[in-house]
Amino acid sequence: GQSLEQPSEVTAVEGAIVQINCTYQTSGFYGLSWYQQHDGGAPTFLSYNALDGLEETGRFSSFLSRSDSYGYLLLQELQMKDSASYFCAGPNDMRFGAGTRLTVKP
Amino acid sequence: GAVVSQHPSRVICKSGTSVKIECRSLDFQATTMFWYRQFPKQSLMLMATSNEGSKATYEQGVEKDKFLINHASLTLSTLTVTSAHPEDSSFYICSAGDGARGPYEQYFGPGTRLTVT
Repeated sequence: GQSLEQPSEVTAVEGAIVQINCTYQTSGFYGLSWYQQHDGGAPTFLSYNALDGLEETGRFSSFLSRSDSYGYLLLQELQMKDSASYFCAGPNDMRFGAGTRLTVKP
Repeated sequence: GAVVSQHPSRVICKSGTSVKIECRSLDFQATTMFWYRQFPKQSLMLMATSNEGSKATYEQGVEKDKFLINHASLTLSTLTVTSAHPEDSSFYICSAGDGARGPYEQYFGPGTRLTVT
């Protein structure tokens, strides 16, 4: 099985950069995926890392270090619409972390 | 991206009745689909993995006789909540991958909000 830990809440201002960390413990590891979920909506895919390093997708980037069992999602140029919950997930068993609620303030 | 639909979006049923939720992949085939439930302000809890043409794989603690899953075609999986009780009230979401990036990129349905009275 897999266990993924994330901070429960993060607050930042518009235009800022925020990093959401995810640490994991797993018996078999195949990378990390990241999803965004707005209140009342379904999760949407943001990014994934199968290998170590940084993956950049527009304002969102994701990083993975398998030796440290650690990854993060980096959100740049924050906008109010980025206020949502963000989940890391393990694709080998489709389990999700508890989620990080991001609040972007003006 | 690929599209996954769910039906119904909302359902209210009486305690003791059964409710069927459909999950469809609209523009791709999915040999595997996943069913989750989510309580307010909580994470998605994986309930089961739905496998086309074979039995579903249930997570520990999920009653397979209560949550019946059928994956009869490559584009449709159904979840039936049998003998529903108020504690089954939740947000049920399905997901599927289109194979391009395997399990890394899952497409989620819009969810079904079940209320059992």
